Amino acid sequence: SQTIHQWPATLVQPVGSPLSLECTVEGTSNPNLYWYRQAAGRGLQLLFYSVGIGQISSEVPQNLSASRPQDRQFILSSKKLLLSDSGFYLCAWRARGSSYEQYFGPGTRLTVT
Amino acid sequence: AQKVTQAQTEISVVEKEDVTLDCVYETRDTTYYLFWYKQPPSGELVFLIRRNSFDEQNEISGRYSWNFQKSTSSFNFTITASQVVDSAVYFCALSEVYGTYNQGGKLIFGQGTELSVKP
Repeated sequence: SQTIHQWPATLVQPVGSPLSLECTVEGTSNPNLYWYRQAAGRGLQLLFYSVGIGQISSEVPQNLSASRPQDRQFILSSKKLLLSDSGFYLCAWRARGSSYEQYFGPGTRLTVT
Repeated sequence: AQKVTQAQTEISVVEKEDVTLDCVYETRDTTYYLFWYKQPPSGELVFLIRRNSFDEQNEISGRYSWNFQKSTSSFNFTITASQVVDSAVYFCALSEVYGTYNQGGKLIFGQGTELSVKP
């Protein structure tokens, strides 16, 4: 069966510090991968998605970036965090040729102080 | 334009009551999928159901049931005999198959409905 991991689970970082959040998927090959952010207020904002290694599409211009160095690894980064980067970050995957449902990881709660 | 609207921001019920969560969508695609997700307090989104645009049959799974009506562009979710464990935020989502938003298999989410079930 497929599983998706995210770490860390929680993170408190000062403004201006770098960020690296990692997501890995097991039990599937060549998935589509997604990063979402959920601010207080509940809405889910798609940040990045990837259809293959090294292929990243950005949905919202911001100081975040994403990379996919391996087939089942997706990384969200920032060189300098802003207060507005605080939120709950969710990684998701979707199987190629599937019926389009996405499966989500446990999330990382980021607080920028 | 593609859009999912969940007009109910918060719903509060007492245990054992039935509750319906509304979802209205907009799309120009004739082929699409609709989804419901549950987000309990722990935060992880849990996939509940998928429906494709050609299948308007209602579905029942235990205490959960879904009513899909293309004529009104609605995909409503009913919980029968609600329980405290049903307390969560519920999201409705849309994915077009052939529309431009399909690139990468992206989902369009509604804003969510927070359901609180009190004992």
